[in-house]
Amino acid sequence: QQQVKQSPQSLIVQKGGISIINCAYENTAFDYFPWYQQFPGKGPALLIAIRPDVSEKKEGRFTISFNKSAKQFSLHIMDSQPGDSATYFCAEETSGSRLTFGEGTQLTVNP
Amino acid sequence: DADVTQTPRNRITKTGKRIMLECSQTKGHDRMYWYRQDPGLGLRLIYYSFDVKDINKGEISDGYSVSRQAQAKFSLSLESAIPNQTALYFCATSAWNQETQYFGPGTRLLVL
Repeated sequence: QQQVKQSPQSLIVQKGGISIINCAYENTAFDYFPWYQQFPGKGPALLIAIRPDVSEKKEGRFTISFNKSAKQFSLHIMDSQPGDSATYFCAEETSGSRLTFGEGTQLTVNP
Repeated sequence: DADVTQTPRNRITKTGKRIMLECSQTKGHDRMYWYRQDPGLGLRLIYYSFDVKDINKGEISDGYSVSRQAQAKFSLSLESAIPNQTALYFCATSAWNQETQYFGPGTRLLVL
């Protein structure tokens, strides 16, 4: 059973636009929420992560916004570039230091 | 050289065959994981191991088994492959004191 719900399943954005991917979680007991980025033919790699003691974390063009009361967090990619085209996964750390992943979002940034 | 390697990268097998997917890492991490990736379902945990003597079932362990031969090696076996085990399989590692998981390049498995 998926405990992290991710949307949209696919997203097409023009170069320079803002890409927004959303995730909703159920379990409030854990405190680590990462985003992974996966390029075709590659394994996922950590992009950015947040803990719920802050509402936002920014690294370059990538920002996580965290809403603890709504049990939601989102990834914002500012000034999206064709090189950002990839599949993005949100995740929640569950018991025993395991990660439960969302369904994934395939992002395409058109030139 | 890659820190997490998986062999083979691609495999085609027939229903009922036993196959083994192998994972090796040079990161010195204690923790290793096996996931499968299916379109629309994301990454789902099959098995994980926090050290050589520790093996734990994940979300979807039925039909799979694992072996942790050494700190650096973690193998996934399909005892009798079936078509719905066709998927992309990833191995990952992490340090005991860090949440970040490092993924291998994946093995694409097709069961006919």
